[in-house]
Amino acid sequence: NAGVMQNPRHLVRRRGQEARLRCSPMKGHSHVYWYRQLPEEGLKFMVYLQKENIIDESGMPKERFSAEFPKEGPSILRIQQVVRGDSAAYFCASSPRVPGAGELFFGEGSRLTVL
Amino acid sequence: QQQVKQSPQSLIVQKGGIPIINCAYENTAFDYFPWYQQFPGKGPALLIAIRPDVSEKKEGRFTISFNKSAKQFSLHIMDSQPGDSATYFCAASRMKGGSEKLVFGKGTKLTVNP
Repeated sequence: NAGVMQNPRHLVRRRGQEARLRCSPMKGHSHVYWYRQLPEEGLKFMVYLQKENIIDESGMPKERFSAEFPKEGPSILRIQQVVRGDSAAYFCASSPRVPGAGELFFGEGSRLTVL
Repeated sequence: QQQVKQSPQSLIVQKGGIPIINCAYENTAFDYFPWYQQFPGKGPALLIAIRPDVSEKKEGRFTISFNKSAKQFSLHIMDSQPGDSATYFCAASRMKGGSEKLVFGKGTKLTVNP
């Protein structure tokens, strides 16, 4: 399966712990987007990365959240000192190029539950 | 500020019916309008997309109608089937410049009864 791979699919953390979510884009894709989906809500943009660069982080909370997409390895969304309000599904999407075609391919998401 | 408004929130139709989902946007710089389909526990999958230079696009049983002057677009599903039961999201983005991130509506949960 050459689709966007996310892990873990489910993650449970206690308040104050750290959550790390990983995303491997589709083969040949070098553009990664992270979105957050709260229950009964649409997806909200968080950050757009290319290899080793953050292009747009206008949707990222100012504190506790960070993202990276290193030269080698998956993209990582890191949430420090999690709070209950961080409970959500986090989706990663990839694109083969600057999305002139606009098509993003989504993974199946990582569902974070904060106790 | 919600830039893309979607309605209805939920929709129930009988098999063979034609559900219609509507979206309205505010930012006139948007120039790409996709629809995504999401099944429970899965990620969104692109269904069909349109650009503002056309008023209608059809792919199989799915049709997008686009009204640029009204800043509205809608999804029609012809001959709907129980397998179409899912949540549908409209979205918009600005393809020129910037990060071209998608702005999503809140979704419509469609149920197609047998």
